[in-house]
Amino acid sequence: DTEVTQTPKHLVMGMTNKKSLKCEQHMGHRAMYWYKQKAKKPPELMFVYSYEKLSINESVPSRFSPECPNSSLLNLHLHALQPEDSALYLCASSRSSGGGREAEAFFGQGTRLTVV
Amino acid sequence: AQSVTQPDIHITVSEGASLELRCNYSYGATPYLFWYVQSPGQGLQLLLKYFSGDTLVQGIKGFEAEFKRSQSSFNLRKPSVHWSDAAEYFCAVGSRSGNTPLVFGKGTRLSVIA
Repeated sequence: DTEVTQTPKHLVMGMTNKKSLKCEQHMGHRAMYWYKQKAKKPPELMFVYSYEKLSINESVPSRFSPECPNSSLLNLHLHALQPEDSALYLCASSRSSGGGREAEAFFGQGTRLTVV
Repeated sequence: AQSVTQPDIHITVSEGASLELRCNYSYGATPYLFWYVQSPGQGLQLLLKYFSGDTLVQGIKGFEAEFKRSQSSFNLRKPSVHWSDAAEYFCAVGSRSGNTPLVFGKGTRLSVIA
């Protein structure tokens, strides 16, 4: 199984809503990532979890709250988002975050988020 | 810190024609190099990667890339493009050590015309 599964595929939420994005992998990878991608732009790194601990937070606003309940799951909790947060949110995993061959990233299909 | 430059924002080729997408990297040592493809609204799919050894790397969907240390380049090629190859292509570089995720180039959008 070389898949990273993200749910939901599409999400529309109001600015006062609370919602969560989910990501799952069963490759035994110990690093998981959240990226944000706007149209016609490359993915922008948001968070990195290594061995279930947050290792990188790229100065992301607190309305985005990541969670890694176990080594296979990664969540992104959303609250009080703004319309400019509308984007494709990509999850990825790799064997580790230690660099080298271990950092080869496998991506999910993404969640298309629209904030209204 | 490593960086990646994809000089071409948008390329249009005719179906059946050959393709070369350019990628230049900046890194103090020999990097790990990747090409990913993204169809509209989809995630990123790995086309090929270079870690070491043979500098000509074969990937999926008939793509290949050549690592040229002297030019700090890792250009992606395909001898005959199909309409289904229309997508966004991202080159990425990884470090050989340290807690450093992949660094992506800005991408090249490929359009294929009949």
